[in-house]
Amino acid sequence: DVKVTQSSRYLVKRTGEKVFLECVQDMDHENMFWYRQDPGLGLRLIYFSYDVKMKEKGDIPEGYSVSREKKERFSLILESASTNQTSMYLCASSLQGQSNEKLFFGSGTQLSVL
Amino acid sequence: SQQGEEDPQALSIQEGENATMNCSYKTSINNLQWYRQNSGRGLVHLILIRSNEREKHSGRLRVTLDTSKKSSSLLITASRAADTASYFCATVLSGYSTLTFGKGTMLLVSP
Repeated sequence: DVKVTQSSRYLVKRTGEKVFLECVQDMDHENMFWYRQDPGLGLRLIYFSYDVKMKEKGDIPEGYSVSREKKERFSLILESASTNQTSMYLCASSLQGQSNEKLFFGSGTQLSVL
Repeated sequence: SQQGEEDPQALSIQEGENATMNCSYKTSINNLQWYRQNSGRGLVHLILIRSNEREKHSGRLRVTLDTSKKSSSLLITASRAADTASYFCATVLSGYSTLTFGKGTMLLVSP
């Protein structure tokens, strides 16, 4: 059974903290994505990666960075968390050459920045 | 970037009824996909329809695509309470490789 695992279901952080959101997939997928989901705004792409150590900016990369040191793991980093980064964060993966086809999603991390 | 826009924003029906959701988009696409999201969880892929296809079926799901009108519809037949979820369309724009999602339709199916 395919699986995308996000390390935390709920996370509460303080303004200014450095935050790491971890995502691991066990499907040997080359492509991995980070989205954030906000009420009334739908899903917006933050960053994505087509291969180890590669990263591409999505639609809203400001305030975020990513790390992909291993194929199965894609980390989203908030260097200095702010209240406007309170959101649901969703990680997804897909097969090489099929980045625009079927995405497999994790269960999401609900991040609250106080 | 361009988005698919779902309509209606919310839909409430009784078990056994059919549910129809629509998605409109603005520019040429490679494919269009529908996803389901149960409350507070991740999204699950339902069905993909390519730009050269007009209709696809999967179980109780029927998806149509009208590229001349830049629109798609998702029909769920004989709805069940377990179909209660948010449904999103996602488009892959021509020349792009990533998906852009709409804001979703919230479907409530009452027993």
